Amino acid sequence: QVQLVESGGGVVQPGRSLRLSCAASGFTFSNYALHWVRQAPGKGLEWVAFISDDGTNKYYADSVKGRFTISRDNYKNTLYLQMNSLRAEDTAVYHCAREGMGATRRSFDYWGQGTLVTVSS
Amino acid sequence: DIQMTQSPSSLSASVGDRVTITCRASQSISGYLSWYQQKPGNAPKLLIYAASSLQSGVPSRFSGSGSGTDFTLTISSLQPEDFATYYCQQSYSLPLTFGQGTRLEI
Repeated sequence: QVQLVESGGGVVQPGRSLRLSCAASGFTFSNYALHWVRQAPGKGLEWVAFISDDGTNKYYADSVKGRFTISRDNYKNTLYLQMNSLRAEDTAVYHCAREGMGATRRSFDYWGQGTLVTVSS
Repeated sequence: DIQMTQSPSSLSASVGDRVTITCRASQSISGYLSWYQQKPGNAPKLLIYAASSLQSGVPSRFSGSGSGTDFTLTISSLQPEDFATYYCQQSYSLPLTFGQGTRLEI
């Protein structure tokens, strides 16, 4: 079955960096676009970044543009999010999510459970 | 960016009730609208895509309708496991955007 498992979260000081990983299994990883979606404590869902199936196209929310970088390794079946210059407002649970195909394009048909990032001094 | 506005923000209902949640887009998104259910501590789950198509495995008491800017999610007869937070999301264009959520409470 499809599984997405995030890791790499933790407590980090403002201005520092962190890299999140999302290990995928149960599907042909290189066939699917992927996203990061975050949820601040007690808040709603916020889309963060997109990467195409082959990694050539990337897109970011304005709130993270220039600070975060999405990437993927289609040999390791792993998605990444490099987060630099972290701010308190980046505190959230970060989910990786698989984008569907066909009619579910740009929808998220599978999600990981998420990894918590806390930015605090 | 396309803004998504849900109403109500919270809703109290009882088992067996029929419930409708509304989502409005700031511009036309045709039928590119998805609905998700999220329970505390869990990841969101896709319920409806393309405004009215039921995701595999989702009970038929869930239905979606609408096009353009106005959409609805209806639960025909609430079950205890349906008490959760529901989000709409436009899949029309990047950046993808979500509604603020509707918390469905007993």
